[in-house]
Amino acid sequence: DSGVTQTPKHLITATGQRVTLRCSPRSGDLSVYWYQQSLDQGLQFLIQYYNGEERAKGNILERFSAQQFPDLHSELNLSSLELGDSALYFCASSVWDRVFSGELFFGEGSRLTVL
Amino acid sequence: GQQVMQIPQYQHVQEGEDFTTYCNSSTTLSNIQWYKQRPGGHPVFLIQLVKSGEVKKQKRLTFQFGEAKKNSSLHITATQTTDVGTYFCAGFYNQGGKLIFGQGTELSVKP
Repeated sequence: DSGVTQTPKHLITATGQRVTLRCSPRSGDLSVYWYQQSLDQGLQFLIQYYNGEERAKGNILERFSAQQFPDLHSELNLSSLELGDSALYFCASSVWDRVFSGELFFGEGSRLTVL
Repeated sequence: GQQVMQIPQYQHVQEGEDFTTYCNSSTTLSNIQWYKQRPGGHPVFLIQLVKSGEVKKQKRLTFQFGEAKKNSSLHITATQTTDVGTYFCAGFYNQGGKLIFGQGTELSVKP
C-alpha cells in the first residue's frame, strides 16, 4: 500500500460526458502528479501541483483540468469525453517540489472507459 | 523536446537469462528514476540515479547513468519469474520541472 488513495477505481461513461477523479496523497506529501496510461502511449505526464499551486504542465488537453485543495487532495476533471480518453489515470505524490525530484508514490489508478 | 526513449518495448526471456533495458534522452537529465509495474498494478519506485556515471546495484539488478547524463540502463542478472512486469525509466528535467517516463519495457519470463 503506497498510501495514495484514488477514487473511483473504475468508471464507465459515455462520450460527451464529464467525470471527476479524486486523489488523496500520502500523509505529509505536498506534491500531486497526474499521469495517463493508455496501451499504446505508456505513462503520459499531465500536470503537477505543489501545495495548491500548479508546478508543471505536460500534454494535458484543454478539456482536462485539475486542482489541489487546501487539504492537499487533488481532483482531475475530464470533460467532453471522447473514446480516446479511455485509459488508466494514475495519481502520484511526493514530498518534493519541482526543484528536486524524488521518489513518486503511485495510487492504484482510476480506470476510465468511455463508450 | 523533452522525451525519453526506451528500448526494447518487449523482451521475452527464459528463466535464468539476463535482461537489459535502455533509456535515452536527447537533452541532459537532472536525474533518472526507475520504476517497476507488475501486471495489473501500479508503478513502484526502484531507484534514483543522480551523478554522472553512477552505478547502483540492488541484488540482481544493476542500474547505470551515463557520463553525459543522457542515457541509462537497467540490467537484471539471471531473471526469475518474479521479475515479470514492465520496467520504466523516468527522466527529470530541471527546465520545466517535469518527470517524463519512457515507454517502458515489458519483461516476460518463461519458467
